[in-house]
Amino acid sequence: KQEVTQIPAALSVPEGENLVLNCSFTDSAIYNLQWFRQDPGKGLTSLLLIQSSQREQTSGRLNASLDKSSGRSTLYIAASQPGDSATYLCAVLAYGFGNEKLTFGTGTRLTIIP
Amino acid sequence: SAVISQKPSRDICQRGTSLTIQCQVDSQVTMMFWYRQQPGQSLTLIATANQGSEATYESGFVIDKFPISRPNLTFSTLTVSNMSPEDSSIYLCSVSGPAEQYFGPGTRLTVT
Repeated sequence: KQEVTQIPAALSVPEGENLVLNCSFTDSAIYNLQWFRQDPGKGLTSLLLIQSSQREQTSGRLNASLDKSSGRSTLYIAASQPGDSATYLCAVLAYGFGNEKLTFGTGTRLTIIP
Repeated sequence: SAVISQKPSRDICQRGTSLTIQCQVDSQVTMMFWYRQQPGQSLTLIATANQGSEATYESGFVIDKFPISRPNLTFSTLTVSNMSPEDSSIYLCSVSGPAEQYFGPGTRLTVT
């Protein structure tokens, strides 16, 4: 059974700092990995998706990496801003057609201090 | 990308009643997913709904408690039956796109 863990559970950093969020998963047979952000009481916004054959994806100040063999992914946020404050979730998609089930991590609650 | 809407956005319900949540997608999709997010927790898949067939439920979730309808390729409903305070959660609808999964804004349910 796939298990996804995110460390740390919560993180507070001053505005302007670069930071890294971690995600680990137990079964490396994944189709892709997706990073989401969730604002309090809201749904999910997709940030980045990395296919299993890729090593990283970038979007603006965000960079996500994937090391499938070690079961790890990181989300790097450069020059953090107060608007980045949210909960960040990683999720892995199991491999195989018809088995499109996302397994979510426990989340990292990020607070950027102005 | 897919645009997903859910109704209601939030509701407060009494114990023992039922609530039906609607999910509408702006394009035809084969599979739709229902997730639950209990307070302070991550998302857990309830069931997968394919048009024209019975929904597939994950371990710990049963059809009598969470009946799902999928009448066409753009719409689904999830009913939370005989509610208890433990059902207080955010319920999210999701669909698979060509490259990623998309989520609705969620329905925040509080059971008193």
